[in-house]
Amino acid sequence: EADIYQTPRYLVIGTGKKITLECSQTMGHDKMYWYQQDPGMELHLIHYSYGVNSTEKGDLSSESTVSRIRTEHFPLTLESARPSHTSQYLCASSRATAGADTQYFGPGTRLTVL
Amino acid sequence: AQSVTQLGSHVSVSEGALVLLRCNYSSSVPPYLFWYVQYPNQGLQLLLKYTSAATLVKGINGFEAEFKKSETSFHLTKPSAHMSDAAEYFCAVRGGADGLTFGKGTHLIIQP
Repeated sequence: EADIYQTPRYLVIGTGKKITLECSQTMGHDKMYWYQQDPGMELHLIHYSYGVNSTEKGDLSSESTVSRIRTEHFPLTLESARPSHTSQYLCASSRATAGADTQYFGPGTRLTVL
Repeated sequence: AQSVTQLGSHVSVSEGALVLLRCNYSSSVPPYLFWYVQYPNQGLQLLLKYTSAATLVKGINGFEAEFKKSETSFHLTKPSAHMSDAAEYFCAVRGGADGLTFGKGTHLIIQP
């Protein structure tokens, strides 16, 4: 079982609020990812990181930002939430950049912006 | 660039019947292919993955998938469906150092 955690699990907030979604893993993985998943749809990669102080944008453009100050922690921030940000956000990690490495997923944060 | 197509957004089978979930991929490099399962309000759990070691891949919970390069397919099967198999199933491909490219998912319904 993967040791990757996300908090909060559910978040309902008003428009314009700043939010941070937390993601932590205890597996010592270098690579971490954030995916966005709209209801009934596929996951889209929005951010990833190769390690400390590394952040890259993914395939889907996102107004969110990420940071990687510690290996185990990869938080995602929205400076001013809007209803269009309503979605599920899934964090994942993997051991290395090798293509066959398994990505382990957290339980997700379901965000609703009113 | 990579892409994944999952045929059928919903698949319904009877308990005890064969499960077949279809996945076709497109990749400009030799692909790594994955099947994940997602239960309601949970994250994704890896069922199995193809790494070029063997074309028939066995996974957890009795699932297996066969890689067919000529058909660019990686279909997921299980001989006998259980009620606990009801979930969302995602096929994914990875062709480089970035994250996974996912299909739209197939919702598996098990009828008693």
